[in-house]
Amino acid sequence: GDSVTQMEGPVTLSEEAFLTINCTYTATGYPSLFWYVQYPGEGLQLLLKATKADDKGSNKGFEATYRKETTSFHLEKGSVQVSDSAVYFCALRDGGATNKLIFGTGTLLAVQP
Amino acid sequence: EPEVTQTPSHQVTQMGQEVILRCVPISNHLYFYWYRQILGQKVEFLVSFYNNEISEKSEIFDDQFSVERPDGSNFTLKIRSTKLEDSAMYFCASSFGMSNQPQHFGDGTRLSIL
Repeated sequence: GDSVTQMEGPVTLSEEAFLTINCTYTATGYPSLFWYVQYPGEGLQLLLKATKADDKGSNKGFEATYRKETTSFHLEKGSVQVSDSAVYFCALRDGGATNKLIFGTGTLLAVQP
Repeated sequence: EPEVTQTPSHQVTQMGQEVILRCVPISNHLYFYWYRQILGQKVEFLVSFYNNEISEKSEIFDDQFSVERPDGSNFTLKIRSTKLEDSAMYFCASSFGMSNQPQHFGDGTRLSIL
């Protein structure tokens, strides 16, 4: 079945460091891919999305490119801030009739000043 | 910006009791969902709801679970006879459509079964 694999956390970075959180997926169809973020004490917020191969989603300085050849959707940010500390979830929604999201395990990012 | 709201934020219930988790989806959204996250595990899909009926459900969503949209604004998840393993964070979500439309999540209800 469909699945999402994320790198294990926690990821600890200093402010202004470069961030990469790896995400790979397995899907039978042509999925849409998403990154959600969960700040402490809050719900899941959509960070960015990409709906087809080679699409780049971007928001708040974060980017991720839908790579069909490597089945990946890695999250990157050039310069992280303390306020980026959160749990980041990669997710997919397979094409076709299903509408459910399949999530990765989440990666905790801690940014230190 | 419109948001999905969930109540209560934390619910503590004795094992075997019924519990109802409440959600108010975004007003013009048509698709509604429940997910749950057991501590330390993945966020898991439970059920989706459209046009006043369940459109999809996971194997987790057994006969102990039910969903309802009792009026034009609320969307509820009922667990009939709670078990210890039902302890989790429950997230409600809604979307305007299917396909590429993003799902918007509430802040969750933490359910603790004693």
